[in-house]
Amino acid sequence: AQSVSQHNHHVILSEAASLELGCNYSYGGTVNLFWYVQYPGQHLQLLLKYFSGDPLVKGIKGFEAEFIKSKFSFNLRKPSVQWSDTAEYFCAVYATGRRALTFGSGTRLQVQP
Amino acid sequence: DTGVSQDPRHKITKRGQNVTFRCDPISEHNRLYWYRQTLGQGPEFLTYFQNEAQLEKSRLLSDRFSAERPKGSFSTLEIQRTEQGDSAMYLCASSSGQNHYEQYFGPGTRLTVT
Repeated sequence: AQSVSQHNHHVILSEAASLELGCNYSYGGTVNLFWYVQYPGQHLQLLLKYFSGDPLVKGIKGFEAEFIKSKFSFNLRKPSVQWSDTAEYFCAVYATGRRALTFGSGTRLQVQP
Repeated sequence: DTGVSQDPRHKITKRGQNVTFRCDPISEHNRLYWYRQTLGQGPEFLTYFQNEAQLEKSRLLSDRFSAERPKGSFSTLEIQRTEQGDSAMYLCASSSGQNHYEQYFGPGTRLTVT
């Protein structure tokens, strides 16, 4: 069965620190990959997506993610976090032939000023 | 606001009661999804509609759950004889036919069964 693993459940960083959140998926076929963000009290929003082509994708608010096919990974990065990045981050996979997203369990990021 | 809307935002009910939630997708989106999210977990797929046709149901969707999308616009999710284990956030998402991979989520309905 398809699954998505997010290794870090809770991350605490100081402002200006660099961020990397891990995401691994298990599916052997073609996938589309997403990171969603949920700010406190708000609904899930798409942060960035990978469909094909350049494995380094850039999203909103300075976030980027790298798809490494050989490692089944799609890690999220940001060079310098801000207090406003405090949120929960979800990695999701959409596999060809499926009709819905499979989400990881999420990583709660807390950025201290 | 032209995003996905859900109603109600919160629902508290007693065990054994029936509840119904509504989702209004983005107007031009023909695909609609229901997910359930419990504390500390990511959303889990429940069911999917393309226009008015319900094309897929997860094993999570027990016989007490039913979803409809009459006329291919809004959708309802009904839970009969609620149980405490049904307490969760119920999320609705929609996507277009051309770009169905990108799903846009509503704010969710938080259900508490006492």
